[in-house]
Amino acid sequence: SYVLTQPPSVSVAPGQTARLTCGGNNIGSKSVHWYQQRPGQAPVLVVYDDSDRPSGIPERFSGSNFGNTATLTISRVEAGDEADYYCQVWDRSSDLVVFGGGTKLTVL
Amino acid sequence: QMQLQESGPGLVKPSQTLSLTCTVSGGSVTSGSHYWSWIRQPAGKGLEWIGRVFFSGSTDYNPSLKSRVTISVDTSQNQFSLKLRSVTAADTAVYYCARCERNLWVFDIWGQGTLVAVSS
Repeated sequence: SYVLTQPPSVSVAPGQTARLTCGGNNIGSKSVHWYQQRPGQAPVLVVYDDSDRPSGIPERFSGSNFGNTATLTISRVEAGDEADYYCQVWDRSSDLVVFGGGTKLTVL
Repeated sequence: QMQLQESGPGLVKPSQTLSLTCTVSGGSVTSGSHYWSWIRQPAGKGLEWIGRVFFSGSTDYNPSLKSRVTISVDTSQNQFSLKLRSVTAADTAVYYCARCERNLWVFDIWGQGTLVAVSS
C-alpha cells in the first residue's frame, strides 16, 4: 500500500518560514492535500491539489509537489500556526485514501 | 454554510457494535460531486480513513476495517451512518465525519468529531 512519510516535528521561530515535507513514491504524480489540526479540534483544510488554498486560508500557506516530496510552506509563522499538519492523497492503484503520520509544528 | 455533526453513544462495550450518525445541514447528501466519509483518530495518533458512501449507496472501505464496517446513507434524513462491529479497545478514538470532493478526493468539510470509548 502507498505510504506517506512526514517528519514527526518541526520547530520554527515566529516570523520565520516553516517547511513541512511529505514524502511518497512519485508523489508528484498525485494530488496532495494538507490539513491543520489544532489541539482538541477537527482538522481544517489549508492547501488542496498541491498548491491551492480554500477561501479564508491566509496567503502565508502555500504548497508544492515535485518528484517524491510535497511541501507545505508557512511564511511569517505566527504562534497560532502551532498545530499538527497532515498530508493526504488518494492512491488510485488501491482506491484508498492515505494520510501521512502528521508533523507537529512548534513555534518557539 | 454546510455543517456536519456526529452523534451517537460515547461508550461501547467490547464485542458490541459502534453506531454513529452524521447529520448534514446547509446542503444535501445527494450532491453528485461529493462522497461522505468517516475518519477516526486514536488519542495522540494520526488520522485513519474508515470508508465512504455516495448518495446512491455505493461504498468503499479501508481494507483494514472492511470486514467489520458498514457505512450507509439516508437521503430522506440528510444523514449518513457508520457501524463498526465487534469493537475492541483499539477502536477507541475520536470519530469524524467529513465531506469528500469526488474529483480531488479532498476532505473540505469536517464535523467536530465525537469521542467513542470501548470499555466494559
